[in-house]
Amino acid sequence: AQTVTQSQPEMSVQEAETVTLSCTYDTSESDYYLFWYKQPPSRQMILVIRQEAYKQQNATENRFSVNFQKAAKSFSLKISDSQLGDAAMYFCAYRSRSGTYKYIFGTGTRLKVLA
Amino acid sequence: EPEVTQTPSHQVTQMGQEVILRCVPISNHLYFYWYRQILGQKVEFLVSFYNNEISEKSEIFDDQFSVERPDGSNFTLKIRSTKLEDSAMYFCASKGQINNEQFFGPGTRLTVL
Repeated sequence: AQTVTQSQPEMSVQEAETVTLSCTYDTSESDYYLFWYKQPPSRQMILVIRQEAYKQQNATENRFSVNFQKAAKSFSLKISDSQLGDAAMYFCAYRSRSGTYKYIFGTGTRLKVLA
Repeated sequence: EPEVTQTPSHQVTQMGQEVILRCVPISNHLYFYWYRQILGQKVEFLVSFYNNEISEKSEIFDDQFSVERPDGSNFTLKIRSTKLEDSAMYFCASKGQINNEQFFGPGTRLTVL
């Protein structure tokens, strides 16, 4: 069975600085998807970024980028130029390429942005 | 932009009572999911639903739980006889045929007293 681990329960970053959130996972599959979701205090989860495992190039969405290390089974999220609105719970999620497409989530990292 | 909606936003019930949580997925989506998040814990998969039947369910999804898509738009989660440990945030999600990601609703907070 697949597992997802987020070892940082909480992180803080100064506004305008850069922060990296860690995520590792375990799977025997060779093809899958990885996601980062943001859950602000309003509680609705919003997709931040996704990565297809077969792509070697790291995904980037504006200030958000990932460092995907397939051999190490690591999928970290880098947030550049942090803004107050980035404060939220961040969940890393794994999804198989086939099957029911269910997500397996990590335990989350709470990000605080300091003014 | 289309979005997943859920009602009610908060439901309080007595232990042993039945509750129905409602979701309206994005209209052209084909895959539907329920997840739950006990306060302070991770989001856990409950059940997936495709082609009018359950495609996968977790160990949490026991005989007390059921899902239904009664009218082609709503997607409901029923808990037959609630227990204290069912208190959690319940999220509905849907996915289209082409999208790789799931779209989540805002959640229903269920409190069992």
